[in-house]
Amino acid sequence: DAGVIQSPRHEVTEMGQEVTLRCKPISGHNSLFWYRQTMMRGLELLIYFNNNVPIDDSGMPEDRFSAKMPNASFSTLKIQPSEPRDSAVYFCASREGTSLHFGNGTRLTVT
Amino acid sequence: GESVGLHLPTLSVQEGDNSIINCAYSNSASDYFIWYKQESGKGPQFIIDIRSNMDKRQGQRVTVLLNKTVKHLSLQIAATQPGDSAVYFCAERNTGNQFYFGTGTSLTVIP
Repeated sequence: DAGVIQSPRHEVTEMGQEVTLRCKPISGHNSLFWYRQTMMRGLELLIYFNNNVPIDDSGMPEDRFSAKMPNASFSTLKIQPSEPRDSAVYFCASREGTSLHFGNGTRLTVT
Repeated sequence: GESVGLHLPTLSVQEGDNSIINCAYSNSASDYFIWYKQESGKGPQFIIDIRSNMDKRQGQRVTVLLNKTVKHLSLQIAATQPGDSAVYFCAERNTGNQFYFGTGTSLTVIP
């Protein structure tokens, strides 16, 4: 089991650019979560999917953020346009049953 | 200007001593709790979980205690080792089947 796989591990971009973060959940897990981690706010839930359907996106900070899950093995989190305050570590997690399994995150820096 | 971030509670323990990390949760309706360990550059990793119908659960070197009356959770690590140095988070699952995380405690083990 390769675990939850996120790419890229690091992303540095300029303000105004589009950023796409990718996640491959653990095979067979039917729920997927996107979290953002910052020193200011800790771990925040952005959105989660169940069986590829977005269930709750109330944590998505602004319309600049969007997430998709076109199939059970892939999800994207897009920020367009990006801003410096979006700099954070973005985690994807998947779940079957109870506990969450996290990827190693994407560290995003927007300059 | 100066940025203000979360001031993580910190705990320093001598190698071989026992550690106790505490967490207060917010939702009395939460039915399931997990402790996670996060090492630098990695995603949170599952340590141990407990359901709300229990007040204690033991794993290998770790014990979780749940006090629903005061909405308090603790993680006890026996014979703490240098490899236990990390940030520890508690997470609660609410009635919407979503997980919310505490701000974390940074544990440093002194050899």
